[in-house]
Amino acid sequence: NAGVTQTPKFRILKIGQSMTLQCTQDMNHNYMYWYRQDPGMGLKLIYYSVGAGITDKGEVPNGYNVSRSTTEDFPLRLELAAPSQTSVYFCASMGYSRSIKDTQYFGPGTRLTVL
Amino acid sequence: TQLLEQSPQFLSIQEGENLTVYCNSSSVFSSLQWYRQEPGEGPVLLVTVVTGGEVKKLKRLTFQFGDARKDSSLHITAAQPGDTGLYLCAGDEYGNKLVFGAGTILRVKS
Repeated sequence: NAGVTQTPKFRILKIGQSMTLQCTQDMNHNYMYWYRQDPGMGLKLIYYSVGAGITDKGEVPNGYNVSRSTTEDFPLRLELAAPSQTSVYFCASMGYSRSIKDTQYFGPGTRLTVL
Repeated sequence: TQLLEQSPQFLSIQEGENLTVYCNSSSVFSSLQWYRQEPGEGPVLLVTVVTGGEVKKLKRLTFQFGDARKDSSLHITAAQPGDTGLYLCAGDEYGNKLVFGAGTILRVKS
């Protein structure tokens, strides 16, 4: 199993450009999450999904969009990049068991710079 | 959104010393997780504590969940350079979402 994979690893965007951050998991997990991590700020939840076709906003959704057409994929879309979106983006997935609390597995991250 | 306050923000110690990292909230969580993150990588789960007052040990690391499930601590005994990294606590908001603390950067010098 590859776990959670993210592409690209690094990207530089100009203000106003758009891009999609890709996230794929091969663990057949229901739950998927997008976080951003700024220096000294921990991780902030952008969007999450509890299953294919279902998405919901997290703490900091403005400027982002997501879709979940399959169990495996959860892309994050930036339509009009702004310098405030410079950050490291992490995708995570989690299975679901009613008997124990499952673990969130994180991808390696995408480092995005908007100039 | 519930907030998690983590302290200290930064810790630089000598190899062999002990240390404690704290994670506090005014709200109750169903469980609390501790992660370790190395530069250029995603966080990796160390432990999940679920029951108030619970203590879990992972080699030289001891994790405790407060009786009221509002706070937690991570204690490292005889720290080693390999313990260097960013330690994050995360509380489970009933609903399969995690709230993360800002993290503690630990540097262990040999």
